Amino acid sequence: QKEVEQNSGPLSVPEGAIASLNCTYSDRGSQSFFWYRQYSGKSPELIMFIYSNGDKEDGRFTAQLNKASQYVSLLIRDSQPSDSATYLCAVRFSGNTPLVFGKGTRLSVIA
Amino acid sequence: ETGVTQTPRHLVMGMTNKKSLKCEQHLGHNAMYWYKQSAKKPLELMFVYNFKEQTENNSVPSRFSPECPNSSHLFLHLHTLQPEDSALYLCASSQEIGGVTQYFGPGTRLLVL
Repeated sequence: QKEVEQNSGPLSVPEGAIASLNCTYSDRGSQSFFWYRQYSGKSPELIMFIYSNGDKEDGRFTAQLNKASQYVSLLIRDSQPSDSATYLCAVRFSGNTPLVFGKGTRLSVIA
Repeated sequence: ETGVTQTPRHLVMGMTNKKSLKCEQHLGHNAMYWYKQSAKKPLELMFVYNFKEQTENNSVPSRFSPECPNSSHLFLHLHTLQPEDSALYLCASSQEIGGVTQYFGPGTRLLVL
């Protein structure tokens, strides 16, 4: 059973702080990892993807991947109230297979 | 909004009704997906189509019937639904299955009475 686990939250952080969102997955051989953001009442939108161990930075967002620990995280620096949303972790476990999504973590950035 | 459109955006139906959800993508993608999103549950993949051919059916009840007439259009035909089928139904597309960038449509919010 391919599984992606996330803490549902809510995770509350003050404006300007670093928000850290975590995700674990069940298959060590997994290939690709994605973070989607979903605002309330809207559909998910892709914000980051990462394939290799280590960090990948894009603006205020950093994705971190540790395949040995089967762990992927998303850091949001200088959090803004507009970052308040549900963040979905998704994993492509192998080859040309559909993404498997976690339940999502709800982030609330308090002004 | 993305290059994936869905209609209707909201739908209320009785358990004896028959209705259809429509999805259209203008991105030239080859793979299309139907997902169900219920409160406090992960996104549930329902169906996958690749080049118009169904490649995955995740044990979805037969009251949901997909149709993919071409790579740009995807339908979900609904009949004799149950109240627990009330959810947000999302269509998505990608260049290929599991592609790097999977774009979602805005979704259809379905309420079954």
